[in-house]
Amino acid sequence: NAGVTQTPKFRILKIGQSMTLQCTQDMNHNYMYWYRQDPGMGLKLIYYSVGAGITDKGEVPNGYNVSRSTTEDFPLRLELAAPSQTSVYFCASKSRGREGNQPQHFGDGTRLSIL
Amino acid sequence: DAKTTQPPSMDCAEGRAANLPCNHSTISGNEYVYWYRQIHSQGPQYIIHGLKNNETNEMASLIITEDRKSSTLILPHATLRDTAVYYCIVRPRIPNSNSGYALNFGKGTSLLVTP
Repeated sequence: NAGVTQTPKFRILKIGQSMTLQCTQDMNHNYMYWYRQDPGMGLKLIYYSVGAGITDKGEVPNGYNVSRSTTEDFPLRLELAAPSQTSVYFCASKSRGREGNQPQHFGDGTRLSIL
Repeated sequence: DAKTTQPPSMDCAEGRAANLPCNHSTISGNEYVYWYRQIHSQGPQYIIHGLKNNETNEMASLIITEDRKSSTLILPHATLRDTAVYYCIVRPRIPNSNSGYALNFGKGTSLLVTP
C-alpha cells in the first residue's frame, strides 16, 4: 500500500493564482483531513471529510475549498492565493473503527510558497 | 478538548532512554492521550495512544499516571533517527464538536538525540 499520497511536493504560486493540492489514499479510509503547518507551529485543521460526499470546515477554512467525490480522493482548492497561505499542507486519513481511536496516517506534505 | 503542556525541547544521549513528559491536568474521563512525532520535513507519524492503562508497542511505552493528569512517552533506546518533534494530544473518545476526530496539535517537544 502507498498510504497517503500528496502531489505536488513543492509549488510556487503568484498572488491571485489558483491551484489544487491533490491527496489520495489507498487504505479505504472513511475519514480524511487537510492540515496546514506554519513555521515553528503545530498543525491546524483546514477541512475534513467523514466519507464520500460529506465535508466540513475545520479551524482555518477561509480561502480554501474541498470536495470528496470518491473515498480515495480529497483535493484542496486555493482559489485566490494570498501570501498568508504560504505553508506546508498535510493530508491525513483514518478508518472509522470502534470509538474512533484508530490513528491518522499522514502524507509527506506539499510545500507551498505564494509570492 | 483538554489542553496539553510539554517542554519545548529536550536532549538525550544515543542508546539511553528518552522520557518525554506531558501535562494534561484538565483531561476528562472519556479522553484518549495520543503521541505523534514529526521528523524534519515529513508528515506526523503515529506512535502510541492510551486511555487509562499503560501501553507498549514496538516503538515506545506510554505511562499514564493514576489520576490521568500527566503522561510520559518512553523511547527505551533512543537512536539518532528518533530526533524529531513529539506531540502529545488529548482527544475525546466521541468528539463533542464537528471535528471528525481531528487532532489538535500544539508545538510539541523538540527531542535531540546526540551521539
